[in-house]
Amino acid sequence: AQKVTQAQTEISVVEKEDVTLDCVYETRDTTYYLFWYKQPPSGELVFLIRRNSFDEQNEISGRYSWNFQKSTSSFNFTITASQVVDSAVYFCALSEGFYNQGGKLIFGQGTELSVKP
Amino acid sequence: DTAVSQTPKYLVTQMGNDKSIKCEQNLGHDTMYWYKQDSKKFLKIMFSYNNKELIINETVPNRFSPKSPDKAHLNLHINSLELGDSAVYFCASSLPGQGLNIQYFGAGTRLSVL
Repeated sequence: AQKVTQAQTEISVVEKEDVTLDCVYETRDTTYYLFWYKQPPSGELVFLIRRNSFDEQNEISGRYSWNFQKSTSSFNFTITASQVVDSAVYFCALSEGFYNQGGKLIFGQGTELSVKP
Repeated sequence: DTAVSQTPKYLVTQMGNDKSIKCEQNLGHDTMYWYKQDSKKFLKIMFSYNNKELIINETVPNRFSPKSPDKAHLNLHINSLELGDSAVYFCASSLPGQGLNIQYFGAGTRLSVL
């Protein structure tokens, strides 16, 4: 069965701290895709990153970095030098590669990050 | 121009009423989706359409009926609204190729059933 677990429901940090959001997934497929989305207080869902199951390279984009480890089925997200504008709910999601799955995203429960000045 | 647009943004209605939410995308995508976000912020797929054809119907009550008049539109009609239907409904779209493609979301429609 497919499942995404974000064990941290809420995290609170002070500005400039580094913070890591954990994501653990379950799937039987060998081809799958992992995503992170951000939902700021305004409510929209903003795409951050997509990784496929064949590419375990870590990725860095500015203050954001992602660590994908198939051995532990984890796809963790780190924000370096956090800022107040990073305050949001962050969702990790899984999508499997077979057509009959329709490309649906299976979301984790979300982690609410609060960055205080 | 907004890539995926939903209307209305807010919808307040009484139990038992019928309501519709509209979704349009101008990204040229072939696949569109409806997701429901409950009060605990949990997001779950409801429907997926590819080229106007229903691909996913994820155990959603029959009171919910999606309609896709063309590839750029996917509307959601809800009959006999119940209190438990109160949620935020998100429309999304992606290119063909199913799982590998990025889904872009609309701003959401907050439905409140009184």
